[in-house]
Amino acid sequence: AQKVTQAQTEISVVEKEDVTLDCVYETRDTTYYLFWYKQPPSGELVFLIRRNSFDEQNEISGRYSWNFQKSTSSFNFTITASQVVDSAVYFCALSEAEGNAGNMLTFGGGTRLMVKP
Amino acid sequence: KAGVTQTPRYLIKTRGQQVTLSCSPISGHRSVSWYQQTPGQGLQFLFEYFSETQRNKGNFPGRFSGRQFSNSRSEMNVSTLELGDSALYLCASSLAGGPNTEAFFGQGTRLTVV
Repeated sequence: AQKVTQAQTEISVVEKEDVTLDCVYETRDTTYYLFWYKQPPSGELVFLIRRNSFDEQNEISGRYSWNFQKSTSSFNFTITASQVVDSAVYFCALSEAEGNAGNMLTFGGGTRLMVKP
Repeated sequence: KAGVTQTPRYLIKTRGQQVTLSCSPISGHRSVSWYQQTPGQGLQFLFEYFSETQRNKGNFPGRFSGRQFSNSRSEMNVSTLELGDSALYLCASSLAGGPNTEAFFGQGTRLTVV
């Protein structure tokens, strides 16, 4: 069965520090998709990125970057020069493709990031 | 364009009662999924509907049910409420669903069972 683990339940940093959120996943499928979502205090989950299992290229979007390594089953998320507005709960999620036509996400437990001024 | 709308935002019910939550997806989106979020269990998948048919179902008891209407709006129902059903219920919509699809989430309905 699929599983996503975010070992860091809470991280506190001071503004402008870099921070990395870890995500480790388990799946038997060879085709799958990995996601990161952000949950601000308002409650809705906001999509940040999607990666498919065949694309191990790292990605950078502004201050955000993602490192996907199949060899270690990890999909880590780094925020460079953190800002107070980055404070939120961040979720890593997995979607298996084999035998699944639908949209069914398995989430990690989330990492609460607090960025202090 | 308008986002995913969930109503009501807050709800307080008594044990044993039933409750119906509503979700209006983004216009044009045909897939609607429901998730339960609790401090203890985290975010867990309930079910997904596509074109009025349940396409996937999570590991929840039969007290949890849902449906989708022809306009893609969806409702979920919980019967015989238990204290443990207290949670934030999140609805997500996407164009056609699919395992690689970006899902758009509503702000959720916070249900408190007393």
